[in-house]
Amino acid sequence: AQSVTQLGSHVSVSEGALVLLRCNYSSSVPPYLFWYVQYPNQGLQLLLKYTSAATLVKGINGFEAEFKKSETSFHLTKPSAHMSDAAEYFCAVSLGSNYKLTFGKGTLLTVNP
Amino acid sequence: DTGVSQDPRHKITKRGQNVTFRCDPISEHNRLYWYRQTLGQGPEFLTYFQNEAQLEKSRLLSDRFSAERPKGSFSTLEIQRTEQGDSAMYLCASSPPWIQYNEQFFGPGTRLTVL
Repeated sequence: AQSVTQLGSHVSVSEGALVLLRCNYSSSVPPYLFWYVQYPNQGLQLLLKYTSAATLVKGINGFEAEFKKSETSFHLTKPSAHMSDAAEYFCAVSLGSNYKLTFGKGTLLTVNP
Repeated sequence: DTGVSQDPRHKITKRGQNVTFRCDPISEHNRLYWYRQTLGQGPEFLTYFQNEAQLEKSRLLSDRFSAERPKGSFSTLEIQRTEQGDSAMYLCASSPPWIQYNEQFFGPGTRLTVL
C-alpha cells in the first residue's frame, strides 16, 4: 500500500522568500515520487520526479526536492518565490511502471507582494 | 506534439442524466488513466488501461461508471444516472511504454456539475 501526506493545506509566503512545501510518503517498496502543480481550472503539470537516481532532484521553474529515505520525505523547495508560483501543489507516489499515482491532498501556495 | 485533450471541458447536467466524457491521449502513449478530483482534494485513481485492456478499476468506480478504450486510442468515461456526489473534475492522463517510472501527462480535465 502507498500513501502521501502533505503537511499544511495552505502556505503563504512573500515574494522573494523561500518556498517549502512538505510531503511525507508511505510505501512498502522503493517508490517513485512526483510533484505536480495545478493552476485554477487546469490539469496537472509535472514539476519534478524522483526515480531512484540522484536524491536531490531539480525541476522546472527553479523548484527542487530532496528524497530522504530515513525521513520518508520528499519536500519541495524554491529559494525565491515569484507571484507566478501561486497555485496548488500535489505530491504523488507510484510503486511501479504500470501503477496508479496516489496523490496527497494538495497544498495551496499563495505569494504576497 | 499535442498534449492530452479532453472533451468537453465543462458539463452541467441534471441528476439522473447520463454523461460521457472523452479523452485523447498523446500519440504513442499506450497507457491511459482516469482520475477524479473533488474540491479541496488531490486526484483519486479511477481506472487504468494498457492499450485496449482495462487492467485495474478502483472501488470508487461504482457500477454506474463505465470506461472504454476501443482500439487502444481514445477513451470514454460514462456515468449513468448521475448523482450530485458525482460533481467533480475528471482528469485523464497518459504515459508512454518507454518510461519505467510511470510519469503521467495530464489533460486539462472535464468539470462536471450535477444539479
